[in-house]
Amino acid sequence: QSALTQPASVSGSPGQSITISCTGTTSDVGVSKYVSWYQQHSGKAPKLMIYGVSKRPSGVSIRFSGSKSGNTASLTISGLQAEDEGDYYCSSRTTSHTWVFGGGTKLTVL
Amino acid sequence: QVQLQESGPGLVKPSETLSLTCTVSGDPINNYYWNWIRQPAGGGLEWIGRMFTSGSPESSPSLKSRVTISVDTSKNLFSLILSSVTAADTGVYYCARGLRENDDYDWGSDYWGQGTLVTVSS
Repeated sequence: QSALTQPASVSGSPGQSITISCTGTTSDVGVSKYVSWYQQHSGKAPKLMIYGVSKRPSGVSIRFSGSKSGNTASLTISGLQAEDEGDYYCSSRTTSHTWVFGGGTKLTVL
Repeated sequence: QVQLQESGPGLVKPSETLSLTCTVSGDPINNYYWNWIRQPAGGGLEWIGRMFTSGSPESSPSLKSRVTISVDTSKNLFSLILSSVTAADTGVYYCARGLRENDDYDWGSDYWGQGTLVTVSS
């Protein structure tokens, strides 16, 4: 299984919205309801931000939303804040019941 | 509050076996998926494998031949064994719990350990 494809970096100014894409195949993202997104700050463990394509765990800001179209999932962050800066990873369960991560996207808040 | 803590040697020699343990506190280990994920320095996350407390382990196809995962419900911990390690296995190793919701146990990982750095070097 190959890693899911994410852009290496995205940036935005405070208050703006950004979207991070995550492209997989018909063996993972395209057929899976088990798509999740993680935020990771430097030196810290990842934090679950979105699961089940578009569900938010308790305590995660409503500024974070997820969606999927075909083989591509997307994470949108609205009302960008300085604290949103960090690395973001998508993940999907595969048809083999294993999991695969994306390569990660570095978000810079300008 | 659920907490996970990885433990194990920080240095392993090439060709030897890496063994890590994840101790779970704050909730019984039963009826969850338990995952191992790693991250090389400056790199991305890589899913190693997982095991349901009453099921069979599953692992990444690229690591399958070298990975053993087990769960000890009596001690509330689970373990990872990675054999024949090389420098490419150097990185931070995380343990994580699978999110359970509506009788579905595999929504992603909601609780993570802080990670433990493993270096493969002679």
